[in-house]
Amino acid sequence: EVQLVDSGGGLVQPGRSLRLSCAASGFTFDDYAMHWVRQAPGKGLEWVSGISWNSGTIGYADSVKGRFTISRDNARNSLYLQMNSLKTEDTALYYCAKDYYSGSGIYGPFDYWGQGTLVTVSS
Amino acid sequence: EIVLTQSPATLSLSPGERATLSCRASQSISSYLAWYQQKPGQAPRLLIYDASNRATGIPARFSGSGSGTDFTLTISSLEPEDFAVYSCQQRTNWPLTFGGGTKVEIK
Repeated sequence: EVQLVDSGGGLVQPGRSLRLSCAASGFTFDDYAMHWVRQAPGKGLEWVSGISWNSGTIGYADSVKGRFTISRDNARNSLYLQMNSLKTEDTALYYCAKDYYSGSGIYGPFDYWGQGTLVTVSS
Repeated sequence: EIVLTQSPATLSLSPGERATLSCRASQSISSYLAWYQQKPGQAPRLLIYDASNRATGIPARFSGSGSGTDFTLTISSLEPEDFAVYSCQQRTNWPLTFGGGTKVEIK
């Protein structure tokens, strides 16, 4: 059974940093691209970042480019999101999501999702 | 950035009725469109990928169609568990983008 367990969220002041983690199991982690998708309270879904199976291809939404860094550790079946210079508008539930297709692309769709971890940026 | 516009924002229907949801792209995305269902307090669930392919375990009452810029998700006969928010997502270009969602509510 595929499982994605998100963690690392919390309350943080603007300008500070936070690191999210996603522990994956039930599939061959290093065959698939992985993504972070967020959802602000009461709002729609927003793709944040994606990373290919070998970390060779990485993409970011313009809203986080230069502040967030996605990474993965295939030996630990884990995905990460380092979030720096956080802004109030980064407040959201952050989901890690598995890409449906294996291979080097990072385009989705997303066939499995974590339960989400809540990030609140407030002073 | 490719903008996806979903309509209507809210659809009020009764169980057993047919639901037709629309997603329009700001430029051609070929058939690279997915549909997701999301219920309160839950993560999204993939329903349809590449415009018309049902994901694993998705009932046959869900179907997708379209190509280019206009896409449709149809639920042939609404079951009580189908009342939820539905979002579309394109995978043609970065950044990957989602539509704003259509809420299907009980009339």
